[in-house]
Amino acid sequence: GAGVSQTPSNKVTEKGKYVELRCDPISGHTALYWYRQSLGQGPEFLIYFQGTGAADDSGLPNDRFFAVRPEGSVSTLKIQRTERGDSAVYLCASSSDTGELFFGEGSRLTVL
Amino acid sequence: TQLLEQSPQFLSIQEGENLTVYCNSSSVFSSLQWYRQEPGEGPVLLVTVVTGGEVKKLKRLTFQFGDARKDSSLHITAAQPGDTGLYLCAGESGWGKLQFGAGTQVVVTP
Repeated sequence: GAGVSQTPSNKVTEKGKYVELRCDPISGHTALYWYRQSLGQGPEFLIYFQGTGAADDSGLPNDRFFAVRPEGSVSTLKIQRTERGDSAVYLCASSSDTGELFFGEGSRLTVL
Repeated sequence: TQLLEQSPQFLSIQEGENLTVYCNSSSVFSSLQWYRQEPGEGPVLLVTVVTGGEVKKLKRLTFQFGDARKDSSLHITAAQPGDTGLYLCAGESGWGKLQFGAGTQVVVTP
């Protein structure tokens, strides 16, 4: 499709497990962002990629969270030793030179 | 911690009524954006305001940026059920790095 694609749309896991969330940005968009939205809150910035490199990862809450974008297109957000507090909707967005962010539908993560 | 405060948190009105949503901050932002988010979807950009005192209109929606670039408002005239959604304001603190408010849930009933 033409929009940002995120998989899985829903993920239920147990506390302590490892999780990967995938984002496929709009073709040609060089910038990619991960945000996290908890229930009743606005999205919270996690990390921003320009090409293959993480230009700003200041929003990652701790070292259990890691994201990669090895070929400058698809990105994977990785969460180790998941905790119940990690439960949220993880949103990916991409942008071109205009800077306008286009968001995907998100991946809803539930940690039991 | 949300640096942008939105009010009210929830607003329920009848079709045809007007409404205003507010976004306030103690920080100055280079630009401020308004988004609408529907259940199960990501936020969709409505408008970006950049200049203090700026007013932008998008059909029945009017957006205003405060003179000091710390606050903004969204006014909807003659609301319709299709306007139902979560309205989010976001200040840009770096390229693509947005600080969002908690949002105002608007419900417009026929």
